[in-house]
Amino acid sequence: DVKVTQSSRYLVKRTGEKVFLECVQDMDHENMFWYRQDPGLGLRLIYFSYDVKMKEKGDIPEGYSVSREKKERFSLILESASTNQTSMYLCASSLWAAPGGYTIYFGEGSWLTVV
Amino acid sequence: AQKVTQAQTEISVVEKEDVTLDCVYETRDTTYYLFWYKQPPSGELVFLIRRNSFDEQNEISGRYSWNFQKSTSSFNFTITASQVVDSAVYFCALSEARTGNQFYFGTGTSLTVIP
Repeated sequence: DVKVTQSSRYLVKRTGEKVFLECVQDMDHENMFWYRQDPGLGLRLIYFSYDVKMKEKGDIPEGYSVSREKKERFSLILESASTNQTSMYLCASSLWAAPGGYTIYFGEGSWLTVV
Repeated sequence: AQKVTQAQTEISVVEKEDVTLDCVYETRDTTYYLFWYKQPPSGELVFLIRRNSFDEQNEISGRYSWNFQKSTSSFNFTITASQVVDSAVYFCALSEARTGNQFYFGTGTSLTVIP
């Protein structure tokens, strides 16, 4: 089974704090993603990475950065947390599957509250 | 323009009723992939099914069935004899061969099964 693990399920942080959300996948997937999920807005892509040290901005990268130093680990960083970053964050990784195309698998989610 | 539309925001059914969740997609690619995911209250998006555009055969898995119709650009999901454990938010998603690793998600349908 594919396993995507997010280190923290629930976090409460103060405005201005630096926040790290960690994600690890155990299936040697090359591609990893960070999404944000808000009521009524669905899933929005923040960043994705297609290889170690490689990253691409998604739809809403402002206020976030990412780090991928090892293939299995993809970290989302909030440099200075703000209340409008209170949300559910989902990490994912994707696998090429025969006969073609990728399938994306998600972690359990991290609920972040910024006060 | 929305590539994946889930027009039903919320649905409530009584246990043992059948329910169909609608998904309409938009793409110009001839090769694409369609997905359904289930998100229970715990938060994790669970992969349910993937369908390739070149395979229009409908699929049944236990109480779940999927109806893929290219003519109407729809990929609907039916739960037969619904159970309380089916209560969740269900997401439909699309990826295209041209863009590879980019996934387009609908805004989700929240299903409540009333005992």
